Amino acid sequence: DAKTTQPPSMDCAEGRAANLPCNHSTISGNEYVYWYRQIHSQGPQYIIHGLKNNETNEMASLIITEDRKSSTLILPHATLRDTAVYYCIASLSSGTYKYIFGTGTRLKVLA
Amino acid sequence: DSGVTQTPKHLITATGQRVTLRCSPRSGDLSVYWYQQSLDQGLQFLIQYYNGEERAKGNILERFSAQQFPDLHSELNLSSLELGDSALYFCASSVSLAGGQKDTQYFGPGTRLTVL
Repeated sequence: DAKTTQPPSMDCAEGRAANLPCNHSTISGNEYVYWYRQIHSQGPQYIIHGLKNNETNEMASLIITEDRKSSTLILPHATLRDTAVYYCIASLSSGTYKYIFGTGTRLKVLA
Repeated sequence: DSGVTQTPKHLITATGQRVTLRCSPRSGDLSVYWYQQSLDQGLQFLIQYYNGEERAKGNILERFSAQQFPDLHSELNLSSLELGDSALYFCASSVSLAGGQKDTQYFGPGTRLTVL
C-alpha cells in the first residue's frame, strides 16, 4: 500500500482557498487517492477521490500530478466550519480492503 | 447524516467487563468496517465484513470479535476490557469490495467507550 505524507497542520483565512498537499510517491497504478475529513470527534466524512484525472464536486477539487506522486485538495472558499483534520489515503482499486489513515493535516480556518 | 447508525453513543463500563457495539450500515451497503480511535490518535482499522463474511483483519485484539448478521447490521464485541480500550469506535459501510466509487466508506457517528 502506498504510504501518504501530509503536513501536520495548516492555517487558512476564512474566504480564501485552502490547499492541502499530500505526497504518495509509492502509489501504484491501481490505487485511488481518497480524501476524508474529521471534524472534532465526529465520524470521518468522505470528501472526494480520484485515480488519474482531476476531480471536482460540491465540496472540493482534487488535483493529482501527472506522475501521481502527489495531490492537492482544494477547498475553494474555506469557512470556519471547514476546520478539521483532513486525511489523504491511497486505496487499492479492487479486492481486499486497504485503508490506512495516518495522522492527517489539522486545518484551522481563521476568521 | 451519512446513513450509518451506531448504538450506543456513549458507554461507560469497568475493567474486565464485556460490551457490544452495534452498527447499521447504509441501505444497500454490503461491507461494514470497524475502526478504533484512541485520544488524539489516527483511526486504526480493526476488521471488515462483506455480506456476512469476514474479509479483512487489521490490528484487532483477540479479546475483540465482530460479526455481520443476515440483515447486514454488525456488532463488535469487546471483552476483558482494559483501561487502554477506552476510545472512539467507528463503523463505516460501503457498497462493495470492488474499489473505486463503490469502495467509498461512509462513517457512523461513533461510540465513545470509557473503561474505568
